[in-house]
Amino acid sequence: KAGVTQTPRYLIKTRGQQVTLSCSPISGHRSVSWYQQTPGQGLQFLFEYFSETQRNKGNFPGRFSGRQFSNSRSEMNVSTLELGDSALYLCASSLTGMATNEKLFFGSGTQLSVL
Amino acid sequence: AQKVTQAQTEISVVEKEDVTLDCVYETRDTTYYLFWYKQPPSGELVFLIRRNSFDEQNEISGRYSWNFQKSTSSFNFTITASQVVDSAVYFCALSEAYEGGSEKLVFGKGMKLTVNP
Repeated sequence: KAGVTQTPRYLIKTRGQQVTLSCSPISGHRSVSWYQQTPGQGLQFLFEYFSETQRNKGNFPGRFSGRQFSNSRSEMNVSTLELGDSALYLCASSLTGMATNEKLFFGSGTQLSVL
Repeated sequence: AQKVTQAQTEISVVEKEDVTLDCVYETRDTTYYLFWYKQPPSGELVFLIRRNSFDEQNEISGRYSWNFQKSTSSFNFTITASQVVDSAVYFCALSEAYEGGSEKLVFGKGMKLTVNP
């Protein structure tokens, strides 16, 4: 069974540009969560999608957005990139998004560098 | 708000040493779940354990053991006879529920463990 796939693995952008990251969950999983990992702030929750609906959003500005498709694949978009957006972006998939009842499976992440 | 504190940021040990990773949490919920995840150099977080607030029994899985103490709000993780393959960043996390049936994980800042041969 294939794991969670995130593409691209590495990305270099300049300030002001926008970027789209992709996450393909494990087959059959309907929930996809996104986390931002930085050395200073650690892992922070961005948002979670279930069956194409955003159920929850973390404390990030509106420049961060996402969506989920009918095949459960998810994309996140960051517009008007800032230097502070440099981070490892991780996505996690699960059947229902309830970490208390099931494991979350994480991808290897997309390392975004903003110059 | 939920909070998880991992006071140690980095530990370096020699193979076969025992090492304990500390985790202290804050929550107002009476029912909550605690987790440990491992992040190897490849980047993905790997689930290690989930423990609910009503189960204070310690757990052992091979060389790994977890000590949950509600009285001190701690959920510590011990690796016995560490091996080089244990080198990774370890995260402690606490679940936080949202209305609508969703949850998120609140992570500590992580602790980088290096096991030297």
